[in-house]
Amino acid sequence: EVQLLESGGGLVQPGGSLRLSCAASGFTFSNYAMSWVRLAPGKGLEWVSAISGTGGSTYYADSVKGRFTISRDNSRNTLYLQMNSLRAEDTALYYCAKGGADHTPFDYWGQGTLVSVSS
Amino acid sequence: AIRMTQSPSSFSASTGDRVTITCRASQGISSYLAWYQQKPGKAPNLLIYAASTLQSGVPSRFSGSASGTDFTLTISYLQSEDFATYYCQQYYIYPLTFGGGTKVEIK
Repeated sequence: EVQLLESGGGLVQPGGSLRLSCAASGFTFSNYAMSWVRLAPGKGLEWVSAISGTGGSTYYADSVKGRFTISRDNSRNTLYLQMNSLRAEDTALYYCAKGGADHTPFDYWGQGTLVSVSS
Repeated sequence: AIRMTQSPSSFSASTGDRVTITCRASQGISSYLAWYQQKPGKAPNLLIYAASTLQSGVPSRFSGSASGTDFTLTISYLQSEDFATYYCQQYYIYPLTFGGGTKVEIK
């Protein structure tokens, strides 16, 4: 059974940093691209970033480019999102999702971790 | 970026109704279109991919179709568990983009 478990969310001041993690199990992690998708209060889903299975290719939404960094540790079956220079508009529930590269949809999702950016 | 325009943004329906949600892409995306269902407090769930392929385990009352840059999700016989928000998403090109969502409420 595929499982994705996010962690690392919390309350942070504007300009601050957080690192999200997503522990994966139930599939061969290194064979699949992974993504982060967020849901802001009162808004719709927004794709944030994706990374190829090897980690050699990364992709970002314009809204986070230059501030967020996606990475993965295939030996630990873990996906990361380093978030710097956080803004109020980054407040959202952040989901880890399997897929998002090489023309693949998001076929499995975690339950999300909440990031709140406020002073 | 490719803009995905979903309609309607919300509507009310009754169990047993046949409902249709539409998504229009601002440019061609071939068949790289997915539909997701999201219930409050839950993660999104993949229903349809490649515009018309039903994800494993999804009831057959859900179906998808495509005509050019117009895509449709149909629920043939609405059940109580189908009241939720539905999103389309293109995975043809980066940035990956979602439609604004369609909330299906109980009439």
